[in-house]
Amino acid sequence: QKEVEQNSGPLSVPEGAIASLNCTYSDRVSQSFFWYRQYSGKSPELIMSIYSNGDKEDGRFTAQLNKASQYVSLLIRDSQPSDSATYLCAVNRLTGNQFYFGTGTSLTVIP
Amino acid sequence: DGGITQSPKYLFRKEGQNVTLSCEQNLNHDAMYWYRQDPGQGLRLIYYSQIVNDFQKGDIAEGYSVSREKKESFPLTVTSAQKNPTAFYLCASSTGTGGTGNTIYFGEGSWLTVV
Repeated sequence: QKEVEQNSGPLSVPEGAIASLNCTYSDRVSQSFFWYRQYSGKSPELIMSIYSNGDKEDGRFTAQLNKASQYVSLLIRDSQPSDSATYLCAVNRLTGNQFYFGTGTSLTVIP
Repeated sequence: DGGITQSPKYLFRKEGQNVTLSCEQNLNHDAMYWYRQDPGQGLRLIYYSQIVNDFQKGDIAEGYSVSREKKESFPLTVTSAQKNPTAFYLCASSTGTGGTGNTIYFGEGSWLTVV
């Protein structure tokens, strides 16, 4: 079983819609959770981190964490063509300094 | 500016040649990492280092070597033993403290192509 799993997509949404990206993780001791955006040919850039159950909002982005279900999601409201990218989910355990990444979900926002 | 600098951005390697990718960070982070990314694929960990003069193999260390003589620097050598080195290489760093707040940041990456 992979540490972190994501649907590879591709996910397509019309401009202005809500894009929903999902991620599950296998290790219950995972402590920190992250979403990165990666444009084609570029390095990943951090969008959001979340550590506690519930929602965390930052602008058009909302991260949701449910530790009981071992599930983390990212909602992008009012999606823009510039949001078209691959979104990587990552987790970090309470101990140790390894980060585990999903394979990413490709998002296309259609104008 | 604070950040992670990788060089060169593009590198071509001939068969049988060793090449070294540079990674320097001025974030005062203790932990540093090297990942490999193949087109359309996720990140695979090559090596990581939590402190100076110490490093551990990741999932795909064969054919690669690293050193960590200074806190700021974590160069990666792709040896001739690595039979399929063409990929995008990402250097990253984190505070290394564990627990919440330990976030990983990436350099801009280096593209390596075998010619």
